[in-house]
Amino acid sequence: GQQLNQSPQSMFIQEGEDVSMNCTSSSIFNTWLWYKQDPGEGPVLLIALYKAGELTSNGRLTAQFGITRKDSFLNISASIPSDVGIYFCAGDPLGAGNMLTFGGGTRLMVKP
Amino acid sequence: EAGVAQSPRYKIIEKRQSVAFWCNPISGHATLYWYQQILGQGPKLLIQFQNNGVVDDSQLPKDRFSAERLKGVDSTLKIQPAKLEDSAVYLCASSLEGPGKQYFGPGTRLTVT
Repeated sequence: GQQLNQSPQSMFIQEGEDVSMNCTSSSIFNTWLWYKQDPGEGPVLLIALYKAGELTSNGRLTAQFGITRKDSFLNISASIPSDVGIYFCAGDPLGAGNMLTFGGGTRLMVKP
Repeated sequence: EAGVAQSPRYKIIEKRQSVAFWCNPISGHATLYWYQQILGQGPKLLIQFQNNGVVDDSQLPKDRFSAERLKGVDSTLKIQPAKLEDSAVYLCASSLEGPGKQYFGPGTRLTVT
């Protein structure tokens, strides 16, 4: 099946720093999504990307759909303590099928 | 707008016992998904429903797992009999339309002892 590789697996940063994480696949995806999961909760959708090269922002978050359609990155600017959590990328390899494959997650820890 | 509801939030059972989880999707969402999330991993799709029909259940271990969505709204996921490796969070999600935009419930944390 499809596999998504996320890196880094974990990050420990100082409050106020910028963060960058990425997601790669050996297969082409038609959609890239970024979710955040807090402990004891389900994933929450942050950003959805639908076209190669697309760059989308949501507040301090920016994500891009790679030109090759095999990768995506998520940047968080000026991190704050509530950014702590696990960030998952997810891809839709079938386009209209709405069946998502998730990466293994990047655990972000922010030191106040 | 109410989100995806799931119950129970936690369940502890012994191996070989049965368990059932319930999900109520966001109102009007035709597509419903069940995911299994093992500790330290991303969610893995088990089954996808479109209204009350199954779209994909290729990753559902059908010898012990079953799911239904009889009236095209609520859904139940059952495990019978449970094994130790079934310990995980079971997430329900729903979507209205368009690729990708799935909204998740809080999950049910299952511990099999």
